[in-house]
Amino acid sequence: GNSVTQMEGPVTLSEEAFLTINCTYTATGYPSLFWYVQYPGEGLQLLLKATKADDKGSNKGFEATYRKETTSFHLEKGSVQVSDSAVYFCALGGNRLAFGKGNQVVVIP
Amino acid sequence: ETGVTQSPTHLIKTRGQQVTLRCSSQSGHNTVSWYQQALGQGPQFIFQYYREEENGRGNFPPRFSGLQFPNYSSELNVNALELDDSALYLCASSWGGPPESTDTQYFGPGTRLTVL
Repeated sequence: GNSVTQMEGPVTLSEEAFLTINCTYTATGYPSLFWYVQYPGEGLQLLLKATKADDKGSNKGFEATYRKETTSFHLEKGSVQVSDSAVYFCALGGNRLAFGKGNQVVVIP
Repeated sequence: ETGVTQSPTHLIKTRGQQVTLRCSSQSGHNTVSWYQQALGQGPQFIFQYYREEENGRGNFPPRFSGLQFPNYSSELNVNALELDDSALYLCASSWGGPPESTDTQYFGPGTRLTVL
């Protein structure tokens, strides 16, 4: 079945640093890939998505590229802000989403 | 703001009780999905409804059941509550239908259920 693996542990970094969160997947067929963000006490918000291989999703300075050859969808942002502190989930699927465990990102001023 | 709302925001129940959680989908969305998010984990798919019919179920027992209504509202019912049912319950709505729609799912803010 479909599954997503995110890198272990929280990520702590300073403001304006470069952020990378790794996501790899196992899937049958060619599902869409998503990054969702969850701010404290809130539900999930779609950050970006890609629907086919080599597509790049982007939003609010975040980017991720659907890499079929490495089965990856790593999230990157060139210069993070304190307001980017949240939990980030990688997900894949069609009508039923499979989520990774999430990574808490803490940006220190 | 996704246009998906859920009620109540928080709920406390005791073991063995029954609970009903409600969701109002974005207007025009024919599909609603429910997810369970335990503390510190990613959401787990419970089931999905498309035009009032169940369209797929995750690894959850039959005491988790649902309904979808024509007015874009839906319910998640859980019978015989157990301590492990304590979680954030999220509903998500989307345009598309079966079998494997790639339409984006828009999530509500969730209902935090605590079972004592």
